[in-house]
Amino acid sequence: QQQVKQSPQSLIVQKGGISIINCAYENTAFDYFPWYQQFPGKGPALLIAIRPDVSEKKEGRFTISFNKSAKQFSLHIMDSQPGDSATYFCAASTPNTGNQFYFGTGTSLTVIP
Amino acid sequence: DAGVIQSPRHEVTEMGQEVTLRCKLISGHNSLFWYRQTMMRGLELLIYFNNNVPIDDSGMPEDRFSAKMPNASFSTLKIQPSEPRDSAVYFCASRTTWDSPTGELFFGEGSRLTVL
Repeated sequence: QQQVKQSPQSLIVQKGGISIINCAYENTAFDYFPWYQQFPGKGPALLIAIRPDVSEKKEGRFTISFNKSAKQFSLHIMDSQPGDSATYFCAASTPNTGNQFYFGTGTSLTVIP
Repeated sequence: DAGVIQSPRHEVTEMGQEVTLRCKLISGHNSLFWYRQTMMRGLELLIYFNNNVPIDDSGMPEDRFSAKMPNASFSTLKIQPSEPRDSAVYFCASRTTWDSPTGELFFGEGSRLTVL
């Protein structure tokens, strides 16, 4: 079964708008939550990550919001740009299973100029 | 550093044929993961190795799939016999250590497999 549930499957945003992608999990042993970005024809690459001891992490236009009690986390892309068009994967890991990453099913983001 | 190198980038084969996908890890990395990506299921972990030892192969679909790590820098994923439902993009990824919770995973560019 899917350990990390991601939504929406696809997202279209106007340039300058805010893109929001949501993920939810059940396993409370997860202690690391990265987001990976994948451009067409390329492998995923780490974008930003958070540990559960903080509720928010910001890097440039990208912010992760983390709600430990709700077991949810989300990626916000401010001032979205056409160059942000890519597939985004959330993930989670726990030492209990060798720190392997459980990925969400991905969100295809298209930013319209 | 050249990054994770996968070959072939594209493979088209006929049902029943053997397929071998190859992966070269980043120097110094000791943890290797094989993923399969499809539209329906996203990124699925097939198997991972730590220090050349397979740790979890529960994601390998069936006995037709096998993976090896003959040395610290190289791995193969073999499908024999291949079936049309195996068509997907296969990624390998590596990182420096398996016991670091925040170890970044570095992906190759993938091998796109089409089984006719």
